[in-house]
Parts: sequence; C-alpha cells; structure tokens
Amino acid sequence: SQTIHQWPATLVQPVGSPLSLECTVEGTSNPNLYWYRQAAGRGLQLLFYSIGIGQISSEVPQNLSASRPQDRQFILSSKKLLLSDSGFYLCAWSVGAYTGELFFGEGSRLTVL
Amino acid sequence: GDSVTQMEGPVTLSEEAFLTINCTYTATGYPSLFWYVQYPGEGLQLLLKATKADDKGSNKGFEATYRKETTSFHLEKGSVQVSDSAVYFCALFNSGAGSYQLTFGKGTKLSVIP
Repeated sequence: SQTIHQWPATLVQPVGSPLSLECTVEGTSNPNLYWYRQAAGRGLQLLFYSIGIGQISSEVPQNLSASRPQDRQFILSSKKLLLSDSGFYLCAWSVGAYTGELFFGEGSRLTVL
Repeated sequence: GDSVTQMEGPVTLSEEAFLTINCTYTATGYPSLFWYVQYPGEGLQLLLKATKADDKGSNKGFEATYRKETTSFHLEKGSVQVSDSAVYFCALFNSGAGSYQLTFGKGTKLSVIP
C-alpha cells in the first residue's frame, strides 16, 4: 500500500533562519506531488506542485522554494524565514493529475519567532 | 475563477444530533466535488466525492449529493459522534480549467459534545 511521510512534524525557527521540510511517498511511482500551507483562518493554499523529477510549478510568489530530486521525494525550502511563513505545511500526492483525489501527509507545524 | 464557499464555523452539536454543513461552488463546466476531513493534529483525508450531477457520495455515515441546479454539495450525517469532531473542507476539481489543483473552502470546525 502507498504511504506518505513528512518530517519534521514540528519545528520552531527564528526569523531569518533556513528551512527544509521533506516529504517521501512509498508504494507508488511517478506520483504528482503537492505542497500546501494551512494558515490560521485562511484555509488551504497550494504552494507548489510537481508532475515529475525536476518539474516544479509555483502557484504563488513567496519566500519559499521546492525541489524534487527523486521521483518520490519533495522538499520545501527557504533561505530566510519570515514571520508570515508560520503555518501548517501539508505534503500530498496523487495518481495522475486530473482526478482531484489527493492523499495527504500528517503535516509539519512551523512556528517562526 | 473557481471558488468554494462553506458555512462559517465553529459548529457545536450534541452527540446523536443531525449534521448539515453547507457548501456551494462557482465553476465553469462540470467539476468533481469532494469533502475532506482533518482530525486534530493530522493531515486531510478524503471523506467522500461525487463526479457528476445527482451523484451521491457517502462514507462513514456521511452523505453529500451533487446538485448542479443549486451548485451545492452539502454534507449531512444523521447522528454525529464525538469522534466526528474535526474540520471539514469542501473542495472542487475542475479538469476543464486545465489546472492541477483543488479549490478548497475555508473549512468548518465541528465539535461534538457528549
């Protein structure tokens, strides 16, 4: 069966520090991968999606970047965190792009102080 | 563009009460509609879906019917339990728009008290 792992689950970082969140999917190949952010009272915002290795699309301009170094690995990064980067980050995958059915990881809660 | 509007929360119900969470959408073409659920401290899980008009999605006692004439996909459950306490998200996927993303509502927090 397919599983998705995200880490770390929780982190507290100072403003201006770097960030790296990792996501790995197991049990499937060539998944579509997504990073969402859930900020308090603002619902879910799609940040990045990827349909293949090295193929990243950004939905909104921001202080973050994403990379897909391997088929089932998706990394969210920042060189210098802002207070506004605080939130709950969710990685997700889907089989094929045109279904709308996503499988989410358990999330990473980031607090920037 | 596409959008989803769901009722503001939080919603607090007693155990065994009837639940309705309203969801309406705006979209061109024929989107697929979804309800996702997020239990405390966890990621989202797909609860149910409907891919065409008049379809009824159902799972774990929850139901929602795709009503194209009213552009709605209201979530219902006849008798809620404490374990149903969670945040519920309505979402649509419009493949005709050429997008890879789901459009989510802002979520409705449900608290069920014994």
